[in-house]
Amino acid sequence: DTEVTQTPKHLVMGMTNKKSLKCEQHMGHRAMYWYKQKAKKPPELMFVYSYEKLSINESVPSRFSPECPNSSLLNLHLHALQPEDSALYLCASSQSLTYEQYFGPGTRLTVT
Amino acid sequence: LAKTTQPISMDSYEGQEVNITCSHNNIATNDYITWYQQFPSQGPRFIIQGYKTKVTNEVASLFIPADRKSSTLSLPRVSLSDTAVYYCLVGDTLNTNAGKSTFGDGTTLTVKP
Repeated sequence: DTEVTQTPKHLVMGMTNKKSLKCEQHMGHRAMYWYKQKAKKPPELMFVYSYEKLSINESVPSRFSPECPNSSLLNLHLHALQPEDSALYLCASSQSLTYEQYFGPGTRLTVT
Repeated sequence: LAKTTQPISMDSYEGQEVNITCSHNNIATNDYITWYQQFPSQGPRFIIQGYKTKVTNEVASLFIPADRKSSTLSLPRVSLSDTAVYYCLVGDTLNTNAGKSTFGDGTTLTVKP
């Protein structure tokens, strides 16, 4: 299984809502990533987990809260988002931090 | 982290070989080079990775000169389905920065019939 899955595919939320994005991989990878991608822009790294520990936080606002419950799962908890947070949120995994990353299809988030 | 510079766009025709060059003048000793392909509304897909000289796999070749200040992704005999954005990344192998690859602006390749 060489797939990274993300749910939901699409999410519309209001600025006062709390929602979560989920990412799963069963490739035995020990590094997992969250990226944010705006239209016609490159992906921007948000968080990196290595062996279930947060290793990189790219100064992301606290309204985004990552969680890695186990080596196969990565969540991104969302609270009090702004309309400018609307974007495609991509999850990726890799064997370790120096290996190539496998990306999921993304969650298209719209904040109203 | 080393900044990367790529052409914004390139056009080609089916069956031609396409070479996309990425400049990374301040690449560090421990940095490796990775290329990804991305179609609209999909996640990027790994193409190839290398450290020096030449790397080849079933879909592409990666040429890296001795000074490593640039790299060239070569796609043999492109087809319409190769129309996509191609990103060059420079990543650190050191533990302190490992995983902290930064995507450049990418090159939009358009393959015409």
